[in-house]
Amino acid sequence: DGGITQSPKYLFRKEGQNVTLSCEQNLNHDAMYWYRQDPGQGLRLIYYSQIVNDFQKGDIAEGYSVSREKKESFPLTVTSAQKNPTAFYLCASSLGLAGTDTQYFGPGTRLTVL
Amino acid sequence: RKEVEQDPGPFNVPEGATVAFNCTYSNSASQSFFWYRQDCRKEPKLLMSVYSSGNEDGRFTAQLNRASQYISLLIRDSKLSDSATYLCVVNGEPDTGFQKLVFGTGTRLLVSP
Repeated sequence: DGGITQSPKYLFRKEGQNVTLSCEQNLNHDAMYWYRQDPGQGLRLIYYSQIVNDFQKGDIAEGYSVSREKKESFPLTVTSAQKNPTAFYLCASSLGLAGTDTQYFGPGTRLTVL
Repeated sequence: RKEVEQDPGPFNVPEGATVAFNCTYSNSASQSFFWYRQDCRKEPKLLMSVYSSGNEDGRFTAQLNRASQYISLLIRDSKLSDSATYLCVVNGEPDTGFQKLVFGTGTRLLVSP
């Protein structure tokens, strides 16, 4: 089945620890994205990548890092510098075309900082 | 002013009712518009794109009013399974050639028996 997978589904972290969230897609999409969702707020863009080995900061990149070494994979690291990391993290991918490009989402990872 | 604004609801309707949601956006140059559906604690899923001429998909009708900068979603003959949060989504940087989406906070719909 084609799709986007994220792991783990739930993640608990102690303050001061870095954690890495996995995102894999087998849709042959060029573009990939990371969002976070907090209660009562819309999705906010953390990082995005339009092509392998290239990525850009989104609106709330501070305290996060990414890599895009393979087309299929776009892992997100939440560093200890992120002041309020507890949130629902969503990965998405798209063909990467301008115009009416459609983004498809993975099932998400819920991160809780203890 | 928020880039994309929606009434958070909830909209409580009985099965079989018709319900409409509106959404306003601030960037008059936006070219791409979508409605996504999000179930509780799940990922958003594309419901439909919104085209300038309006479009229909079964019980769902989406319309775009560029002059007033709003998008609407009409659901006819509501089903219990329509209960969800509906996200209005707009391309926030239409001049860059990159599809940077801006999400509204969503409108919650509750359909009761």
